[in-house]
Amino acid sequence: GDSVTQMEGPVTLSEEACLTINCTYTATGYPSLFWYVQYPGEGLQLLLKATKADDKGSNKGFEATYRKETTSFHLEKGSVQVSDSAVYFCALTHNYGQNFVFGPGTRLSVLP
Amino acid sequence: NAGVTQTPKFQVLKTGQSMTLQCAQDMNHNSMYWYRQDPGMGLRLIYYSASEGTTDKGEVPNGYNVSRLNKREFSLRLESAAPSQTSVYFCASSESVAGVTQYFGPGTRLTVL
Repeated sequence: GDSVTQMEGPVTLSEEACLTINCTYTATGYPSLFWYVQYPGEGLQLLLKATKADDKGSNKGFEATYRKETTSFHLEKGSVQVSDSAVYFCALTHNYGQNFVFGPGTRLSVLP
Repeated sequence: NAGVTQTPKFQVLKTGQSMTLQCAQDMNHNSMYWYRQDPGMGLRLIYYSASEGTTDKGEVPNGYNVSRLNKREFSLRLESAAPSQTSVYFCASSESVAGVTQYFGPGTRLTVL
């Protein structure tokens, strides 16, 4: 079946450092790919998504590019802030009625 | 808009007790979902409802039942709670099950002693 693998962390960075959280997937066909973010004590919020190969999703300074050849969707940000401290989930879903498959989540802590 | 709401926010049960978690959405979405979140395991789908009047099992349905009461509401019931059901439960909704964004509620933290 489908699966999503991501670095579990925790990842600890200083403010203004560069961030990369790796995500790779195993799936048939061409799934849509997502990054969700969960701030402390809250539910998951959509951060960005990409629906086909080579698409780049972006939001709030975060970016991720759908790489079909490497089955990856790595999350990047050039300069993180303390307010980016959260758990980040990579996920996929298909366009023909399958449900979401989530990775285990990566906890990011940004220190001032 | 409230989006997806869940009640209660916290609950402590004793083994063998029953309870129902409530979820409602005001986005006129067709599909609704129940997940559980455990450390290091991400979110796992318990049950989902593709449309009003239908429900289907997800990855981890054992020990749970669901009811799609109407288009807005989707409840999750634990008939006889077990310590293994200690978790954070999230409800979500989407326009359909086919490859679209899901919107999540704030979660219910359940502890079974």
